Order: sequence, then structure tokens, then C-alpha cells
Amino acid sequence: KAGVTQTPRYLIKTRGQQVTLSCSPISGHRSVSWYQQTPGQGLQFLFEYFSETQRNKGNFPGRFSGRQFSNSRSEMNVSTLELGDSALYLCASSLGLQETQYFGPGTRLLVL
Amino acid sequence: QKEVEQDPGPLSVPEGAIVSLNCTYSNSAFQYFMWYRQYSRKGPELLMYTYSSGNKEDGRFTAQVDKSSKYISLFIRDSQPSDSATYLCAMSSSSGSARQLTFGSGTQLTVLP
Repeated sequence: KAGVTQTPRYLIKTRGQQVTLSCSPISGHRSVSWYQQTPGQGLQFLFEYFSETQRNKGNFPGRFSGRQFSNSRSEMNVSTLELGDSALYLCASSLGLQETQYFGPGTRLLVL
Repeated sequence: QKEVEQDPGPLSVPEGAIVSLNCTYSNSAFQYFMWYRQYSRKGPELLMYTYSSGNKEDGRFTAQVDKSSKYISLFIRDSQPSDSATYLCAMSSSSGSARQLTFGSGTQLTVLP
């Protein structure tokens, strides 16, 4: 069974731009979570989606948003990029909300 | 103070050594405890999953949870150079509809051949 896939793998943007990242969960998984990983803050929870609805949200500004489609694929969007948004963005999928999460390889975003 | 504390290392051990990795936490609501391994430029890979207190063994890996002390451990026996990675502890509570994971900062491990 294929794992979680994320596209693109690498991205370079400039301050003020916006970016959209994509995540395809493991087949059959209906829950998708997003995390930001930085050397200073480690892995931090962004939000979780299940059945196209956001079920939980971490402590990030409104510039960070996401959505989930009917096929469980998910996208996250960051608007008005700041230098501090440079990070590895990880997507994790699980069968349901209370199930074990499996991570994708991440999208490495660099904001210049 | 962070909810989950983990010694960042780095930790270097010779091949064949027993490795002990630890995390402490402050949130008594945490019920689910996990260890992830992350290789450089890769996503975290689930190694061990434990519910509540006790021990769990899987091959060379043993996870221990002591909820009374709010302390979890991962032991790696007969460590191999391929075990060189960053090890992240993660935990979540049973309340709420979502399984939001709170991670430790990760311990960087190098196993020297």
C-alpha cells in the first residue's frame, strides 16, 4: 500500500507570497493532519481534517488554512508568507480521528 | 515550560550498545504514547505505540510508560548504524474528537560502527 505523498517536496517563495501544499493520504485513510517542523520549535500541530471538516486547530495565525476534499486529499495554504514560515511541513494520515498517524516525507518551504 | 521535554542530545554510542531515550511530560491527560524515528530529510516513521502505562516490546525496541512519574522511555538493544536518526516522542490525550499529537523536541542518535 502506498504511503502518504506530499507535493511539492521543495519550494522557494519570497515574503508576501502565498503557497499551497498538497497531501494525499494512505488509501482508505479519512483523517489528515498537518504539522510544521522547525529546528527551534520542533513539530507543532497545525490542524486536522476528517470528512472534509476541520476537527481541531493548533495555535497558528489565520494565515494558515487548509481544506480536505471528498477523496480525503488535503491542501494547506499559507498566505502573506513571512521568513519565519520557512519549515518542513508534514502531513499525516490515519484511518479515523483516534487512530495512529502515519507521516509523509514533508514539503520543505524556504521563504526568502 | 513545554508540555513534553526531551533531551536533544546529540547522543553517540558504539554499535551493539543499549540505547536509552527518555521524555517527561506535564499533562496528566496524556493517554497515548508514541515513538517516531526520523531520518534526515524524511518524515517521521512510527516505531512504537503504547496506551496508558506498561511496557511494549517489538524486536530490538522496548517502550516503557510510567504515568505516575510522567516519564516514558525507549530502549534500543544491539544498536546498529542504521538506527542513527532523530527519535521523537509523541503523546496525546483521549479527550476530544481528534488525536492531536504533542511532540518532544527529538533526540539525535548516532551509532558508530
